[in-house]
Amino acid sequence: IAGITQAPTSQILAAGRRMTLRCTQDMRHNAMYWYRQDLGLGLRLIHYSNTAGTTGKGEVPDGYSVSRANTDDFPLTLASAVPSQTSVYFCASSTGDGGNEQFFGPGTRLTVL
Amino acid sequence: GQNIDQPTEMTATEGAIVQINCTYQTSGFNGLFWYQQHAGEAPTFLSYNVLDGLEEKGRFSSFLSRSKGYSYLLLKELQMKDSASYLCAVRDSNYQLIWGAGTKLIIKP
Repeated sequence: IAGITQAPTSQILAAGRRMTLRCTQDMRHNAMYWYRQDLGLGLRLIHYSNTAGTTGKGEVPDGYSVSRANTDDFPLTLASAVPSQTSVYFCASSTGDGGNEQFFGPGTRLTVL
Repeated sequence: GQNIDQPTEMTATEGAIVQINCTYQTSGFNGLFWYQQHAGEAPTFLSYNVLDGLEEKGRFSSFLSRSKGYSYLLLKELQMKDSASYLCAVRDSNYQLIWGAGTKLIIKP
């Protein structure tokens, strides 16, 4: 692994199903983030984690949950998917120090029918 | 509320210069970022400004005026590979990034 990876690349999901999007980084970054990107809108923060063992809510957290059991992994779970959660999901990480850029994973394209 | 404004789309000619503007209103300011995003790909970091003035990095430069809530990204000697969306983001008082919707730049030969 080099950098930050996400799985799956894409997924079609029936409404009401549970889904976990995976994110792993090998850069030993403290901070990790989940965003969704929708056409015509900027990236919107769903949840974040400043360090292993802590998480926080972003701008659009409803319907999503996260955990940060270790430094490398930051899974995002949709407990009961709805069509409005159709989006491209990006995971990102940073060292957590002020002024440092975020590094993004390749994204997961999720369609909820 | 917090707001980042950028033009939706711009067109420029290969070899020319283009300036992409970004204005912002946020709760606090802890730096402004520009990212490039090619279609179907992840955003990648271009520049970071926290003090007023111009930061130059090769063909790309970024300018910031904190008093005006304004930044621009300047791209020189445009190449076809510069066709992409350019995202402006401001780090607010909570150290979270607030993102603009992005400017799609189309380069014509």
